[in-house]
Parts: sequence; structure tokens; C-alpha cells
Amino acid sequence: GAVVSQHPSWVICKSGTSVKIECRSLDFQATTMFWYRQFPKQSLMLMATSNEGSKATYEQGVEKDKFLINHASLTLSTLTVTSAHPEDSSFYICSPVAGGVSGANVLTFGAGSRLTVL
Amino acid sequence: GQNIDQPTEMTATEGAIVQINCTYQTSGFNGLFWYQQHAGEAPTFLSYNVLDGLEEKGRFSSFLSRSKGYSYLLLKELQMKDSASYLCAVRDSNYQLIWGAGTKLIIKP
Repeated sequence: GAVVSQHPSWVICKSGTSVKIECRSLDFQATTMFWYRQFPKQSLMLMATSNEGSKATYEQGVEKDKFLINHASLTLSTLTVTSAHPEDSSFYICSPVAGGVSGANVLTFGAGSRLTVL
Repeated sequence: GQNIDQPTEMTATEGAIVQINCTYQTSGFNGLFWYQQHAGEAPTFLSYNVLDGLEEKGRFSSFLSRSKGYSYLLLKELQMKDSASYLCAVRDSNYQLIWGAGTKLIIKP
């Protein structure tokens, strides 16, 4: 159980373009979705938390207009990096959670998406 | 503020035992996680502790002392494939996850 599909696994784009990353929970319903990014040799940094059908809650320092999160269904959430710049190059990881965060004692992660902005 | 401390890097020998420590100061406590992460990959779950004591799972064990704000991950019979980063994360009273910076474990033959 708890199978997560995240695409694309890696993407290279030109500065100024937008990139969409998809995260799907294949065998469970994700009421909550965490989006993280990870810079080289650093730990996970939470970007935002979204609940299905609601607006995402962004962490301090994360621009909501730049990192658009859509969690329109219980099995799909997307992160769109708009007008990407080289400093946005990072490893983006989703973590869907079923049934409310408090009950989760195993957190599942997508395989990650490595974004390189030229 | 809330923070988690782990050693940045550790080196051990294949076949040996290594203990990775994690100390935390958080607003409340609702569980501690250990994850393994190979370079360029997503973290994979190793253990979850919410009560004091030792949880053993094969070659890996995790210990928790809530009164001391301390946990460790014990890896036995080290294999080369155990070379990875090990992340400690604590869930606080608001169920927010606080992540440590990770410990890079290097296994030498």
C-alpha cells in the first residue's frame, strides 16, 4: 500500500518558463499533501501544506504566486514553478498523507523531481 | 525556537555497528521518525518512535528518550548499500514535522 507516483523525475528548462510537477497517490486518498524542496547536501524544507479542495498554506519565505499548488482531488496534487529561475533549481518532493496528519506514523514520499533551470 | 541536531557526517566500516544520534528541542512531541535517503532519491521510512524505548527492526533499531529529547538509530552488520543520509524528524504538538539536516553515513570496505 501507499504507492506514490511523482512526475517528472527530472526536468531541465529555460529561465522564465513554467514547470508543473504532478504527485499522485495510487492506492489511497491523500487528504493532505506536503510539498518539500531539498537543496544539495541539505535536509528537506517544507514549502507548503495543502488539503484537498482548500488553498495551500505556505511556509514563511515561500512565494505562493511563484509556487502554485493545486490539490483538486484526493489522488492528485500539482506544484507549478512559475517563471523559473536558476535559483529554483532543486529537488522537489511530495508527501501525500491519508486520513489526517495526526494519524500518520509512516510518511510516504514521491520519488522526487529534480528541476534544473538554465 | 525548534531545532534538531544530528552529526553532519559519520564514517564506519562494512560489517561494523554505527549509532547515529539525534537531539531535539521542539514545542511538544508527537513522534519521531528516521528516514534513509540515498543521493538523488526520496527518503524511505525506517522507523517511528512515540514511546520511550528501543524499537528493533532487522539490522536497524531506533531508541527514544522523551525526557532527554534524544534518539538514536543503530545500524548493525553494515553493508555498503547503507551508505546514505539518515534524516531525523520530530512531529511537534501542532503535528508539524521538524526535520534535521541529516547525517551522511559513509561505509568503507
